[in-house]
Amino acid sequence: DAGVTQSPTHLIKTRGQQVTLRCSPKSGHDTVSWYQQALGQGPQFIFQYYEEEERQRGNFPDRFSGHQFPNYSSELNVNALLLGDSALYLCASSSGTGAPGYTFGSGTRLTVV
Amino acid sequence: QQQVKQSPQSLIVQKGGISIINCAYENTAFDYFPWYQQFPGKGPALLIAIRPDVSEKKEGRFTISFNKSAKQFSLHIMDSQPGDSATYFCAASFYSGTYKYIFGTGTRLKVLA
Repeated sequence: DAGVTQSPTHLIKTRGQQVTLRCSPKSGHDTVSWYQQALGQGPQFIFQYYEEEERQRGNFPDRFSGHQFPNYSSELNVNALLLGDSALYLCASSSGTGAPGYTFGSGTRLTVV
Repeated sequence: QQQVKQSPQSLIVQKGGISIINCAYENTAFDYFPWYQQFPGKGPALLIAIRPDVSEKKEGRFTISFNKSAKQFSLHIMDSQPGDSATYFCAASFYSGTYKYIFGTGTRLKVLA
């Protein structure tokens, strides 16, 4: 039973560029949440997708956007990259029934130079 | 009010010793408190979680102690092993249409052989 899979595992982008990160949730999960984890910090909530709609959003600018597909997979897009966007981006899946309990992927390490 | 304060930042314990990590919160609406373990290059993995109607929960060598009146909770790792060396995050969450987690800043645990 595959857990949460994220791609790519690492990437390097230049300031001002755009990036797309991908996530496939754990089998049986229909809700995807995205978190940003800066070095040495705890994960910070970006947003959550359920039924192909953004259900909740954290304190992140509009440069961060997302999408959820009918198969529950999700993408995180970041436009106009800043050096401060360098972080580990984590995808977490859960059940949309409201029961708590995330399963995290291993993340995508984004470096902006 | 949405913060979760975690201490200590780092912890060194001898093999076989007890590791204790503490967290405090302000928002009394929080009703789910998980602990996550994260190894380098990996996403956080759920260790154990508790709800505020219970004062203690034990799973193997891991115990959560919860003090609702003090708004504090802690993780105890009994008989600590070198394989427990990782970063530990506490988190808090409440349901508002969905669950999103507020994470602490993490504790880097090193268990000496």
